[in-house]
Amino acid sequence: RKEVEQDPGPFNVPEGATVAFNCTYSNSASQSFFWYRQDCRKEPKLLMSVYSSGNEDGRFTAQLNRASQYISLLIRDSKLSDSATYLCVVRVAYSGAGSYQLTFGKGTKLSVIP
Amino acid sequence: DTGVSQDPRHKITKRGQNVTFRCDPISEHNRLYWYRQTLGQGPEFLTYFQNEAQLEKSRLLSDRFSAERPKGSFSTLEIQRTEQGDSAMYLCASSPRERASYEQYFGPGTRLTVT
Repeated sequence: RKEVEQDPGPFNVPEGATVAFNCTYSNSASQSFFWYRQDCRKEPKLLMSVYSSGNEDGRFTAQLNRASQYISLLIRDSKLSDSATYLCVVRVAYSGAGSYQLTFGKGTKLSVIP
Repeated sequence: DTGVSQDPRHKITKRGQNVTFRCDPISEHNRLYWYRQTLGQGPEFLTYFQNEAQLEKSRLLSDRFSAERPKGSFSTLEIQRTEQGDSAMYLCASSPRERASYEQYFGPGTRLTVT
């Protein structure tokens, strides 16, 4: 079983739509959670960290459910510039709090169409 | 530009040759990471440095791969006797020294093609 699983998409949505991505992780020792976005042939860019209480940054809302080992990302009022691959990322504390390696999902591709 | 920089951006090499990549982290970031990404996959962790100490290595990092960060600033990743399966994007990331900061900031990557 993959450590981080995402629906690969593609999600094709019209401008202005609301779209939600889901992600599940398998390791209950996961301690930190993030969403990154990656444009074609570019590096991943941090979109937002995900906190236990849920958090919002403008049109983006992230939720974490530790009991179900599930992370979500909601994008409201989609823009053409939101077209990218969205990577779900976790940090597993393999050796207490000292592990810094990130584990990435394969990503969910979003295309926002005019 | 004060982001993570990587050099070269592209490298084409023949199977069996050695290659070396360089990463310059964001200034004053003491943690530096190397990842590898192939088409359709997310980045996979290779190794991590805190200052000059290499603290974590993935099982993906075979004996042909070696990474260094001798002065705790820039880092190099060397691949010896390259194989076609080494073709990938090699990404470097860095993060600040604050203990609770696990966010990582990526450079543009070095795209390696082994022919």
